[in-house]
Amino acid sequence: QKEVEQNSGPLSVPEGAIASLNCTYSDRGSQSFFWYRQYSGKSPELIMSIYSNGDKEDGRFTAQLNKASQYVSLLIRDSQPSDSATYLCAGYILTGGGNKLTFGTGTQLKVEL
Amino acid sequence: DADVTQTPRNRITKTGKRIMLECSQTKGHDRMYWYRQDPGLGLRLIYYSFDVKDINKGEISDGYSVSRQAQAKFSLSLESAIPNQTALYFCATSDFQGSGYTFGSGTRLTVV
Repeated sequence: QKEVEQNSGPLSVPEGAIASLNCTYSDRGSQSFFWYRQYSGKSPELIMSIYSNGDKEDGRFTAQLNKASQYVSLLIRDSQPSDSATYLCAGYILTGGGNKLTFGTGTQLKVEL
Repeated sequence: DADVTQTPRNRITKTGKRIMLECSQTKGHDRMYWYRQDPGLGLRLIYYSFDVKDINKGEISDGYSVSRQAQAKFSLSLESAIPNQTALYFCATSDFQGSGYTFGSGTRLTVV
């Protein structure tokens, strides 16, 4: 199993819908998870961080962490065409040393008009 | 001004040439990282440094070397560039273990 695993997509949603992006990780003891948004040819931009079980909301974004299931998700409400990008999940995974971020390969999101 | 600055933004070089990519930051972070990104392969860690005297190899360090000249500067060198080193290279910084990373704008390197 990869340390951080994401479906590569593309995930297509209509404008105004909720986009749900998912990520699983390999080690139950892992801490501190992050979601990055990356437009094609640009650098990753941090959009959400989550450190404890439950939900964290910031504007249209909600991050969810379930440590028992080793699962992190990102919900984007009222999706806009400008949300079309690749979303990278990352975490401090113990099997990766635990002292630096391990990134998933990303899920491509397409928001269609 | 950007918090994490990479130079050059784009570079085309010939096989066998030595090339240096530079990264500087104004965030005051101790931790710095170099990644390369290839389509379908995601971000792969080349080298990282937790302070000026600390340099560590990442998962794909062969063919690369680094220099941490100061807290704010971390350079990546390709000693003898080869075409499969054509990629998008990112520098990143972080404040402490458990914090998120801030990425530079990237260097698009093409080796012909």
